Amino acid sequence: QLQLQESGPGLVKPSETLSLTCTVSGGSISSSSYYWGWIRQPPGKGLEWIGSIYYSGSTYYNPSLKSRVTISVDTSKNQFSLKLSSVTAADTAVYYCASEATVIEYFDYWGQGTLVTVSS
Amino acid sequence: EIVLTQSPATLSLSPGERATLSCRASQSVSSYLAWYQQKPGQAPRLLIYDASNRATGIPARFSGSGSGTDFTLTISSLEPEDFAVYYCQQRSNWRTFGPGTKVDIK
Repeated sequence: QLQLQESGPGLVKPSETLSLTCTVSGGSISSSSYYWGWIRQPPGKGLEWIGSIYYSGSTYYNPSLKSRVTISVDTSKNQFSLKLSSVTAADTAVYYCASEATVIEYFDYWGQGTLVTVSS
Repeated sequence: EIVLTQSPATLSLSPGERATLSCRASQSVSSYLAWYQQKPGQAPRLLIYDASNRATGIPARFSGSGSGTDFTLTISSLEPEDFAVYYCQQRSNWRTFGPGTKVDIK
């Protein structure tokens, strides 16, 4: 069974770049059986898909965030990462990493989430 | 972008009652719709995928139906642990989530 764990700074200054890493255990990030995704949830609000990556490096981004998002994979560490540039207070949210099994293409395993606050 | 609308925003029911939640898409998503349950402080959990397929380990009291633009999640008899927020999500065009329906105790 897959386990995912987010890590990264809990506080980011406005205009800077938010960087988070998701460590995957219980399976290989190089597996063709999964996409790897990021989803966020502002406090008290709903879920927003940020983007996903396949082990091959192919990426898929939410069009509304595409200009600011980069998702990458580090197969040597069994991790994938999120970078979100030029952040504002509106980017304050709990950020989740999740796996998306290719056979169903829905988010079946999730990390516990990490709160990132954008504030000076 | 495909917009998902969920109704009602809040559903107040008692344990043992039947819950019927609705999700409507702004354009057809075929059967490419999932339902998730989220409890406070927890990550969402996949319940139903492709409109009507239960995910692994999900009790039979959860069922999904619909296609095209109109979908329903039914909980046949609410257990105490079912009081939570439920989100729908489509994968027909990128990925979008609905705003959620909160099922709370009456």
